[in-house]
Amino acid sequence: AQTVTQSQPEMSVQEAETVTLSCTYDTSESDYYLFWYKQPPSRQMILVIRQEAYKQQNATENRFSVNFQKAAKSFSLKISDSQLGDAAMYFCAYRNLLTGNQFYFGTGTSLTVIP
Amino acid sequence: DTGVSQNPRHKITKRGQNVTFRCDPISEHNRLYWYRQTLGQGPEFLTYFQNEAQLEKSRLLSDRFSAERPKGSFSTLEIQRTEQGDSAMYLCASSRQNLNYGYTFGSGTRLTVV
Repeated sequence: AQTVTQSQPEMSVQEAETVTLSCTYDTSESDYYLFWYKQPPSRQMILVIRQEAYKQQNATENRFSVNFQKAAKSFSLKISDSQLGDAAMYFCAYRNLLTGNQFYFGTGTSLTVIP
Repeated sequence: DTGVSQNPRHKITKRGQNVTFRCDPISEHNRLYWYRQTLGQGPEFLTYFQNEAQLEKSRLLSDRFSAERPKGSFSTLEIQRTEQGDSAMYLCASSRQNLNYGYTFGSGTRLTVV
């Protein structure tokens, strides 16, 4: 079974500071995709960033970047220059070609941004 | 393109009643998914459609649950004889053929069974 673990139920960060959210996953596959989704309160989940496992280069999207450590099966999300609008639940998700069409999600990290 | 639309946003029902939720995906997306999210958990896969064909079902989808996508456009998820354990957020998502770019989620339907 595929498992995705987010060990930080809650995190907080001062506005304009940097925060890193952790995610680890368990797989025996070599070809897979990893995602971070953001879920603001009472709003829909939106894709923040994605990473293909075959790419060594870490993905970056504006203030969001990942630290992908394939051997350690770790996929952390770094948010730079945190803004009040970044406050949300963040979910890490995994998919490989063998799992078909379903994604496996972690339990989420609730991020609070302190003004 | 108005995104993925789900109705209703909230549903409160008495135990034992049937409920039906609707999802309208992004029009050019041929893949549609249903997930369930309970408090403190991430979304869990329920089922997947490609066009009108239901191609995958999770073990979570008991025989009280049925999903349809009759014309390959909108989808409905029906829960019969609801139980308190069915209380959750039901999320719909859609995607293009290339799933590696992720899903687009709707805002969900929050079901409360009393």
